[in-house]
Amino acid sequence: AQSVSQHNHHVILSEAASLELGCNYSYGGTVNLFWYVQYPGQHLQLLLKYFSGDPLVKGIKGFEAEFIKSKFSFNLRKPSVQWSDTAEYFCAIPHGGSQGNLIFGKGTKLSVKP
Amino acid sequence: NAGVTQTPKFQVLKTGQSMTLQCAQDMNHNSMYWYRQDPGMGLRLIYYSASEGTTDKGEVPNGYNVSRLNKREFSLRLESAAPSQTSVYFCASSEGQVNSPLHFGNGTRLTVT
Repeated sequence: AQSVSQHNHHVILSEAASLELGCNYSYGGTVNLFWYVQYPGQHLQLLLKYFSGDPLVKGIKGFEAEFIKSKFSFNLRKPSVQWSDTAEYFCAIPHGGSQGNLIFGKGTKLSVKP
Repeated sequence: NAGVTQTPKFQVLKTGQSMTLQCAQDMNHNSMYWYRQDPGMGLRLIYYSASEGTTDKGEVPNGYNVSRLNKREFSLRLESAAPSQTSVYFCASSEGQVNSPLHFGNGTRLTVT
């Protein structure tokens, strides 16, 4: 069965620090990977997605993620975080079939200290 | 372009009461979904509708029913609310392909006492 693991529950960084959030997946089909962000009190928004091609994907607000097939990983990175990046981040994969529903990881809460 | 609209934003129910959460999307998407979000659990799929006229159970369907009223609207009903249904509920829609991103509504925070 498909699954997504996010190993970091809560990450606390100072502004300008570099960020890497881990995501590992188990999926037997064509790999499609997503990162979503949820700012405090808001809904989930798509940060970036990988379908095929260049394994280094760039998203909004300076975020990027690298798909490493051999490690079944899709880690999220940002070279220098800002206070406004404080949010919860979710990795997701397709459930399978053609319905389009996603399986989400449990999320990583990022707190950035000003 | 409103995207995905959910009502209400907040609701408090007593155990045993019923209510319906409404969701509408204006993106002409085929598929719609109801998720619940609980601390430390991420998002879990309750029900989904791959296309107008069809609905299917997700990971946690017990205690819920859904109706895909038309292509735009997908409602979630709690017939007899229980404290375990205290959660934040998100409706989402997508074009329905395996590589289609989900577009989420702003959520409904439900408390059952």
